[in-house]
Amino acid sequence: SQQGEEDPQALSIQEGENATMNCSYKTSINNLQWYRQNSGRGLVHLILIRSNEREKHSGRLRVTLDTSKKSSSLLITASRAADTASYFCATDGLSNQGGKLIFGQGTELSVKP
Amino acid sequence: ETGVTQTPRHLVMGMTNKKSLKCEQHLGHNAMYWYKQSAKKPLELMFVYNFKEQTENNSVPSRFSPECPNSSHLFLHLHTLQPEDSALYLCASSQGPGTGTYEQYFGPGTRLTVT
Repeated sequence: SQQGEEDPQALSIQEGENATMNCSYKTSINNLQWYRQNSGRGLVHLILIRSNEREKHSGRLRVTLDTSKKSSSLLITASRAADTASYFCATDGLSNQGGKLIFGQGTELSVKP
Repeated sequence: ETGVTQTPRHLVMGMTNKKSLKCEQHLGHNAMYWYKQSAKKPLELMFVYNFKEQTENNSVPSRFSPECPNSSHLFLHLHTLQPEDSALYLCASSQGPGTGTYEQYFGPGTRLTVT
């Protein structure tokens, strides 16, 4: 079953504004991760939040996790044009072995200068 | 630079050709992965190797044949591909099972076009 569906599919904001992306998933997880991908390149790991954590910060990134709703959000504060990229959530399911991740379709973020 | 390299970066091949994609990681990881990324679709996990052993084959057609000679190298051998196989092929690595740490490090990808 597909995990990690992001919402919205595309988001366009002005530099300096905050960007919020949401992710929903279907089964119980060990952890949830967020990745960033610049056009046509590989993915870069941003942040990991474990199932027993509710909120985590890293620089301008803030991630929340609500396991009762099976949802997560990624907030990028004070966005910059360089934040323009696709953002993916990925879940590491409880039934997984070997760290297999299931990725969502991603949110395309465009930050206009 | 993530410590994972992929070659070639771009590949154009005919349906009757045989080619190979190469991935190398310099991170000391024990798990390696192949993903396919097509336009407008989520990343599709193809294969997983842990400690050189294949632990996942996600119903991938036999025209894709992986090879993992050691924990640092991963290949994807391609033969008699179809145009719908055109995509970005991404390699990733992670520390591996039992470490409690599963973030993956991705290479830049190989853009494959099948003509």
